[in-house]
Parts: sequence; C-alpha cells; structure tokens
Amino acid sequence: AQSVSQHNHHVILSEAASLELGCNYSYGGTVNLFWYVQYPGQHLQLLLKYFSGDPLVKGIKGFEAEFIKSKFSFNLRKPSVQWSDTAEYFCAVNTGGFKTIFGAGTRLFVKA
Amino acid sequence: GAGVSQSPRYKVAKRGQDVALRCDPISGHVSLFWYQQALGQGPEFLTYFQNEAQLDKSGLPSDRFFAERPEGSVSTLKIQRTQQEDSAVYLCASSPTASGGWTYEQYFGPGTRLTVT
Repeated sequence: AQSVSQHNHHVILSEAASLELGCNYSYGGTVNLFWYVQYPGQHLQLLLKYFSGDPLVKGIKGFEAEFIKSKFSFNLRKPSVQWSDTAEYFCAVNTGGFKTIFGAGTRLFVKA
Repeated sequence: GAGVSQSPRYKVAKRGQDVALRCDPISGHVSLFWYQQALGQGPEFLTYFQNEAQLDKSGLPSDRFFAERPEGSVSTLKIQRTQQEDSAVYLCASSPTASGGWTYEQYFGPGTRLTVT
C-alpha cells in the first residue's frame, strides 16, 4: 500500500535557524506532491505543490521543497525560520486517483 | 470569499448514538472530500464526491459510515451506532476541478471534533 513517512514528529528550532523536514513516499509511479501547513487554531492550507517540471518548487512564506525521484523524497526547507512558522506540517502524495495520502505530520516549534 | 465551513465544530456522543456532520464547500467546487484525523496522525481519506456522485468510498472504515451530497453542494457524513474508536477530527475539503486531488490543491474546513464517550 502507498504510504508517506515524515521522519520527525517534533522539531524545536530557534529563530533564524535553518529548517529541513523530511518526507518519503512509497510508490514507484508518477506522483503529485504537496506540503500543507496548519497554524495554531487555523485550517490546513497549502504551502506548496509539485506536479511536474523543475523539481525545486517554491511556496509561500519562503518555503521550498525538492523532489528527488530516485530517493522517493520531497523534503521541505526554509533557510531561516521565524516564530510565526510554528505550526504542524503535513506532506501529502497523490498517485493519480481521488485519494491523497498524508503523512503523520511534523510539529515545529520556533523559539523566539 | 467564504471558505469551507463545517458544523458542528464539536460533537460529544454517547456510544451507540448516531451523528451527522455537515460540510459546506466553497461555492462552485466540484470535488468534495471527507477525511478522518485521529490524534497525532495525518488526515486519512474517507470518501470523494464529484458533484453529487460518490466516486470513491474506499476509505470508509465500516458500513456504519455513510456520506451523501444529494445536490452536489452541501455534504453530510453520518456515523451510526458510534464507537469510541470513531473519536477523531473529521475534515471536509473541496476543490474546483473534477479530478479529485490529482491536479489541484484541496481547501480544508476547520473540522468537526467528535468525541464518543
């Protein structure tokens, strides 16, 4: 069965530190990839997505992610985090059907 | 504009009761999804509607779960004879295209937190 693994369940960083959240999926075919974010008290919202083309995609608020097909990975990065980036981040994969599979999420806490 | 809304936001049910959870998608959105999110987990797909047609219900965990979208807009997720393991946040999402989650992002509602006692 297809699955999505997020390696870190909790991450604590100080402001200005760099961020990388890991995401791996298990599927050998074509995928569409997403990162969603849920800020405290808010709805899940899209951070960025990859469908095709340049494997380095840029999203809102300075986030980017790189699709590495050979590693089945889609890691999320940000060079310098802010306190306002405190949130839960979900990686998600769609393999061509109606179903999107989400990872378990990573809770990021940024210390001011 | 208005986003996806869900009601009630919180529901406490005694084991064995039936519950109905409502989702109002963004106006004009063709696709509608229901997810179940257990504590500490990511959303898990339950079912998908394209307009009024339920095209995928592979994620519904048992025949106690039933969803409908009779006029292609508002949707209701019904859980009969609730059990403690049904306690979770139920999320609704909508999307403007007819291709499910394949080619477009999903817009999520705030969820309904169901607690079964």
